[in-house]
Amino acid sequence: QITLKESGRTLLKPTQTLTLTCTFSGFSLATPGVSVAWIRQPPGKALEWLALVYWDDDKRYSPSLKNRLTITKDTSKDQVVLTITNMDPVDTATYFCAHSGPNNVDLDFWGQGTLVTVSS
Amino acid sequence: SFELTQSPSVSVSPGQTASITCSGDNLENRYVCWYQQKAGQSPLLLLYQDTRRPSGIPARFSGSNSGNTATLTISGTQATDEADYYCQAWDSSTTHALFGGGTQLTVL
Repeated sequence: QITLKESGRTLLKPTQTLTLTCTFSGFSLATPGVSVAWIRQPPGKALEWLALVYWDDDKRYSPSLKNRLTITKDTSKDQVVLTITNMDPVDTATYFCAHSGPNNVDLDFWGQGTLVTVSS
Repeated sequence: SFELTQSPSVSVSPGQTASITCSGDNLENRYVCWYQQKAGQSPLLLLYQDTRRPSGIPARFSGSNSGNTATLTISGTQATDEADYYCQAWDSSTTHALFGGGTQLTVL
């Protein structure tokens, strides 16, 4: 059974850096074709795709946020980490991580999400 | 830049068929997937590769993708189908994924 869970600081001040960890089980990021993505959703708004890391450490980023995002994986710990620099109140959102199976583009398993609030 | 456009809201009577559309340039050349998100929950994958249903998704959820428009069809809509629905595809030119703006389905 595949599960994912997001963790990290949930209250930040403007300009601080957000570090979120996705800890997963039921699959390995060493399996060819597998990937883990980060998605966010501001309160009452739509989903926004942020970044993705593949099993072979290939990475993809949202063009609009690329300069602020870094995604890394630790296969030995079954974790994926997302950092976002220079946080702003508009970055207040629920942040989700999700699994994508081998050679798929869909996100078939999602974490429960974690609400991150940015406020001075 | 590549964008996915959805109507903000759709209303349907119980038992009727609901159609939710997702538009984008040459969308038929990309795989589209659909998610259902109920209030306070994480999104749930409904359809992938345009038409395929993951295990456990009822057959009344179906999809199509032609031209610039992908469509999610819900047959025999139930009150429990009231949710937000999102389409998702990849922008192959810049190799990143994106979501549509979401459609709120109301079952009247």
